[in-house]
Amino acid sequence: AQSVTQLDSHVSVSEGTPVLLRCNYSSSYSPSLFWYVQHPNKGLQLLLKYTSAATLVKGINGFEAEFKKSETSFHLTKPSAHMSDAAEYFCVVSDPSGGGADGLTFGKGTHLIIQP
Amino acid sequence: DGGITQSPKYLFRKEGQNVTLSCEQNLNHDAMYWYRQDPGQGLRLIYYSQIVNDFQKGDIAEGYSVSREKKESFPLTVTSAQKNPTAFYLCASRALGNSPLHFGNGTRLTVT
Repeated sequence: AQSVTQLDSHVSVSEGTPVLLRCNYSSSYSPSLFWYVQHPNKGLQLLLKYTSAATLVKGINGFEAEFKKSETSFHLTKPSAHMSDAAEYFCVVSDPSGGGADGLTFGKGTHLIIQP
Repeated sequence: DGGITQSPKYLFRKEGQNVTLSCEQNLNHDAMYWYRQDPGQGLRLIYYSQIVNDFQKGDIAEGYSVSREKKESFPLTVTSAQKNPTAFYLCASRALGNSPLHFGNGTRLTVT
């Protein structure tokens, strides 16, 4: 069965320091992977997507993620945190053969706190 | 400007009343989804539809109903049978295959 594990429920960093949000997945096929950001009382916004092209994926707002098949990981990084990055982040796996509704499985989310 | 529109943004109802949340998309996406989000929680799937006039239950379908009469519309009815309906509801859509979901801005429902 398909699964997604976001390893930290909360991450706190100082403004201007690097951000690392960790995501591990299990999938029997060749999945697509996505990172979303959600600000309070808003919908989810797509940050970036991996769909079996380049393993290093660049997204919006300076975020990037690296797909590592050997480690079954898709960690999200940003070199320098900004106050506006404070939000909830979700890792999502899409795999048509992996179970879940329509092949989609969500992580439980990581709350990113930015200290001034 | 393509996207997903959820309305209203805030909705208040008395216990025992049915209420319908609207979701419209102009992205020409085949699949549409309804999720529920409770404070500090992730997303839980209520219903989804991959084609007009067809839909499937998600993990928490009890007390909810949907229809998919048009490709662009996927309204959700929260019935009086839903024991704890107060929550943030998110609608999403995507093209078929492994494409990403596109989300609306949500409807916050409060039932008292």
